[in-house]
Amino acid sequence: DGGITQSPKYLFRKEGQNVTLSCEQNLNHDAMYWYRQDPGQGLRLIYYSQIVNDFQKGDIAEGYSVSREKKESFPLTVTSAQKNPTAFYLCASSIGFNEQFFGPGTRLTVL
Amino acid sequence: LAKTTQPISMDSYEGQEVNITCSHNNIATNDYITWYQQFPSQGPRFIIQGYKTKVTNEVASLFIPADRKSSTLSLPRVSLSDTAVYYCLVGERGNYQLIWGAGTKLIIKP
Repeated sequence: DGGITQSPKYLFRKEGQNVTLSCEQNLNHDAMYWYRQDPGQGLRLIYYSQIVNDFQKGDIAEGYSVSREKKESFPLTVTSAQKNPTAFYLCASSIGFNEQFFGPGTRLTVL
Repeated sequence: LAKTTQPISMDSYEGQEVNITCSHNNIATNDYITWYQQFPSQGPRFIIQGYKTKVTNEVASLFIPADRKSSTLSLPRVSLSDTAVYYCLVGERGNYQLIWGAGTKLIIKP
């Protein structure tokens, strides 16, 4: 089956730690995205990548970092510089602006 | 980037037709209108996309008036499983930065 996978589903982090969220897609999509969603809110764009080895900051990139070494993979690192990282993180991919396909999400909680 | 305005919440009953309207007064000439559905603790799922007039697929219809300053998502004969948050987005093809509002929380009652 084609799709997007995210792991882990739940992640707990101690303050001051960096954590990396995994996102893999086998849809052969060029574009990939990371969003953050807080309770009762819409999605906010963290980073996006249109092609391998290239990515751009979204609206709330501070405290986050990404890499795009392979077309299929777009991992997100939440660094200790992100002061309020507890949220639901969603990865997506697409062909151009059209339909974005989303993964199941990772819920990150800071202890 | 165009911004959208949607009702915060709506209620309806099983078997009814539900219409959710989205306002996008500043929509640009090249912008398309896209709707997504999101269930709790899941990623959003694409429902429908259109540019003008009417678009219909197996799950919904999208009505866009001539001035394109608003759009209406129509869900025919809803069921309890249609309870979700619905997002309206506008954006130009090739524009990777989309603005997601808070969406409309639709609650379907038996």
